[in-house]
Amino acid sequence: SQKIEQNSEALNIQEGKTATLTCNYTNYSPAYLQWYRQDPGRGPVFLLLIRENEKEKRKERLKVTFDTTLKQSLFHITASQPADSATYLCALDMCPGANAGKSTFGDGTTLTVKP
Amino acid sequence: DAGVIQSPRHEVTEMGQEVTLRCKPISGHDYLFWYRQTMMRGLELLIYFNNNVPIDDSGMPEDRFSAKMPNASFSTLKIQPSEPRDSAVYFCASSSTGGGSYNEQFFGPGTRLTVL
Repeated sequence: SQKIEQNSEALNIQEGKTATLTCNYTNYSPAYLQWYRQDPGRGPVFLLLIRENEKEKRKERLKVTFDTTLKQSLFHITASQPADSATYLCALDMCPGANAGKSTFGDGTTLTVKP
Repeated sequence: DAGVIQSPRHEVTEMGQEVTLRCKPISGHDYLFWYRQTMMRGLELLIYFNNNVPIDDSGMPEDRFSAKMPNASFSTLKIQPSEPRDSAVYFCASSSTGGGSYNEQFFGPGTRLTVL
């Protein structure tokens, strides 16, 4: 069956360190992989999208890698700050066609950055 | 743009009552999604529309749930009759296949539904 797994435990790190979040999947062949941030009481907010033919994507302090052989994406936040504390969700998008437009979300990893 | 608008933000109802959740997507977006989020099951896709047409409703839990999109600027998710296990946060999201951010979804603030 199709499965998306993110870090099973909450992640606690010290301010200034790099946070690394993992998204593993099985039985998918995603064309795109996205990362979202969700704060308590709010809807998810889009952060980054990476395509299957891209290895890495960066945006300010954020970096995403995508390894279709390992079926894994890593999401890094460098120089982490307490304001980065939130739940981070990965989402897979299949190739256009029958599933065009449809994203499947992981359960998320809750990150806490301590000052 | 005001973003995706959902109403009501909170809804408390009694078991057996009909519940209608409303969503106004971002103008110009051609996809609209309804999700349900709970601690146990995470973020689940219920149904999504493309150009007002339902594309995939395989996530709709049962016949008590129905969704409509009569025009490009409005959608409803209805639960009739509601049950306590329907208690969750319901999100509406919209996206556009145009532009550089394919499939980026913009989420509304959600409706927190409590069924007593």
